[in-house]
Amino acid sequence: AQKITQTQPGMFVQEKEAVTLDCTYDTSDPSYGLFWYKQPSSGEMIFLIYQGSYDQQNATEGRYSLNFQKARKSANLVISASQLGDSAMYFCAMREGRSNDYKLSFGAGTTVTVRA
Amino acid sequence: NAGVTQTPKFQVLKTGQSMTLQCAQDMNHEYMSWYRQDPGMGLRLIHYSVGAGITDQGEVPNGYNVSRSTTEDFPLRLLSAAPSQTSVYFCASSVPGTELYTFGSGTRLTVV
Repeated sequence: AQKITQTQPGMFVQEKEAVTLDCTYDTSDPSYGLFWYKQPSSGEMIFLIYQGSYDQQNATEGRYSLNFQKARKSANLVISASQLGDSAMYFCAMREGRSNDYKLSFGAGTTVTVRA
Repeated sequence: NAGVTQTPKFQVLKTGQSMTLQCAQDMNHEYMSWYRQDPGMGLRLIHYSVGAGITDQGEVPNGYNVSRSTTEDFPLRLLSAAPSQTSVYFCASSVPGTELYTFGSGTRLTVV
C-alpha cells in the first residue's frame, strides 16, 4: 500500500493567490514526521517544512504552512501569496517511527505552475 | 557550509560499465542514504547507513553497492550499469528523530 498519496499531478495558480497541495499518509506508528520538499527545474530537493506527529500546532515557515489533520491522516501544504519562483514539483514525504528513522517514503509529487 | 556534496552532476555510461557516485557531508550526521528518482515517481531508497561501518539495503538495492568507512563519505557503486539504472540519484544525510534531512544536488545518470 502507498504510504504517501498525492492525488494532484499538476496544478495552476495565479500569482499572488494561495494554493493547497494535498497529501495523505498511511502509518500505524504513533511516532512519525512529515516533510514537504520543493524540486525546481534545476533538480535539487529543497526542504520546506516539517511536522512531527506529536506537534500540537501546525507548522509554518514564512509563506508555507502545513495543515495537519491527524485523525484524517492528511498533511496538506498551503503556499500563500504565490510567486513565479514557486513553480516547481512538490513532494510530500514521511518518516515512520524509530525503527525506520533512516528512510523517507515519498509521494509521486505535484507540479505547480504559477501564472503571471 | 557545504552540506551534502555529490559528484559528478552528470554522467553517461555504456551498458556493462561500472562507476562510483560520490557523496560527502560535513554536518557530522549519523545517517546517510541513497535514493533514485524516476520520472513520475517520488524518490526510492537504494541503500542506507546508520553510522560508519554499518550499511543496509533499501527498497531497490539490486545492482548497487555501498560502503561507509567514515562518517563523512558514502559512495554508491554501480557494478555493471544497465539502461534500467538511468535515473537521477540523490544522496542525503540526516539526524534521527529531527527535521534535519538534507539532500545533495543530485547526479543525473544515463546508461546507453
